[in-house]
Amino acid sequence: DTEVTQTPKHLVMGMTNKKSLKCEQHMGHRAMYWYKQKAKKPPELMFVYSYEKLSINESVPSRFSPECPNSSLLNLHLHALQPEDSALYLCASSPPLEESGYTFGSGTRLTVV
Amino acid sequence: AQSVTQLGSHVSVSEGALVLLRCNYSSSVPPYLFWYVQYPNQGLQLLLKYTTGATLVKGINGFEAEFKKSETSFHLTKPSAHMSDAAEYFCAVSLYGNKLVFGAGTILRVKS
Repeated sequence: DTEVTQTPKHLVMGMTNKKSLKCEQHMGHRAMYWYKQKAKKPPELMFVYSYEKLSINESVPSRFSPECPNSSLLNLHLHALQPEDSALYLCASSPPLEESGYTFGSGTRLTVV
Repeated sequence: AQSVTQLGSHVSVSEGALVLLRCNYSSSVPPYLFWYVQYPNQGLQLLLKYTTGATLVKGINGFEAEFKKSETSFHLTKPSAHMSDAAEYFCAVSLYGNKLVFGAGTILRVKS
């Protein structure tokens, strides 16, 4: 299995809702990531997990809460989002080596109304 | 700080023509460099990477890139463009802590 699977593919949520994005990989990668990509922009790093521990938080607002329950699974819990949080949310995984390169999922297209 | 700059937000080529997408990096040490491709409403796919060793790197779909330390460049090329190559291409550098930082991206258009 050489894929990163993200669910759901599309999500529409209200500003008072709570929702979660899910990411799963079975490549044995011990580093996992969340990126946010706005239209016509490059992906921007949000969080890095290494060996199931949060190693980087790029000053992301607390309305985004990551969770790594095990080495194969990464969640992003969403609460009280704003319309400007609408974006493509990408999950990726890699071996914990800087020269490895990432494997990306196909993303969740989030719309906040 | 390490970063990458992509020259040209849009590049247009005819089918069968040479593809050249430019990327320059700034780094005080030899970097790890990557090229990714993104098709509309999809994730990113790794085309190729430079870590150490051979400076001419071959990737998938007929793409290759050459690491030139003297020019701090890592340009992406393909001898003959195909319609299916139309996509957005991102150059990226790997930073300490396994943090991947992307350039602004170049949209490649292929004309028939």
